[in-house]
Amino acid sequence: QSVLTQPPSVSAAPGQKVTISCSGTSSNLGKNYVSWYQQLPGTAPKLLIYDNNKRPSGIPDRFSGSKSGTSATLGITGLQTGDEADYYCGTWDSSLSNVVFGGGTKLTVL
Amino acid sequence: QIQLQQSGPGLVKPSQTLSLTCAISGDTVSSNSVPWHWIRQSPSRGLEWLGRTYYKSKWYNNYAVSVKSRITINPDTSKNQFSLQLNSVTPEDTAVYYCARGDVSLDHWGQGTLVTVSS
Repeated sequence: QSVLTQPPSVSAAPGQKVTISCSGTSSNLGKNYVSWYQQLPGTAPKLLIYDNNKRPSGIPDRFSGSKSGTSATLGITGLQTGDEADYYCGTWDSSLSNVVFGGGTKLTVL
Repeated sequence: QIQLQQSGPGLVKPSQTLSLTCAISGDTVSSNSVPWHWIRQSPSRGLEWLGRTYYKSKWYNNYAVSVKSRITINPDTSKNQFSLQLNSVTPEDTAVYYCARGDVSLDHWGQGTLVTVSS
């Protein structure tokens, strides 16, 4: 059972937009930045968003992030079949002194 | 650019010690205040953070409560790498193990090592 809560799956058609939610508590998302990771099948997670809404170099602006209170959202616009992957949110939990992750959301591009 | 290269056995017997190493290129393990992490992933547990080491005037470690009694993460400045040791493993420790770099956000990851605990 993961500390952060994500929906198990989302789906949308190519070209459409999708959002993935991440819910936490006052000791993790309420205090610290959220990061988002994309994991393609058989590969390591890749940093997609950091510090709530910043994109590392090379990440297209189709990917966006936001945070409010103890919840965060990843948005993906102009969906492509190559976006089919598992997406994870992560942050630091100040009470546990741990990095914590969500359970992951499988994105299907129909 | 920064790269993390993992090495270590893919099969460990129950009750023995799991040992993995993460070699760093493009950065140094003693970079001030940059944490170096071990994380594992299994279908039953998802992504599970195990612990980290970092240097800030001296070396610090943080470990997950779930493995705190069994885990050691050690930096090796002479080889610019860090290691994971997990003692007294059981089949529940079977997972893909990753090393990673970063503070709140983990910006570089190793390639992953599938470790199976089985006799």
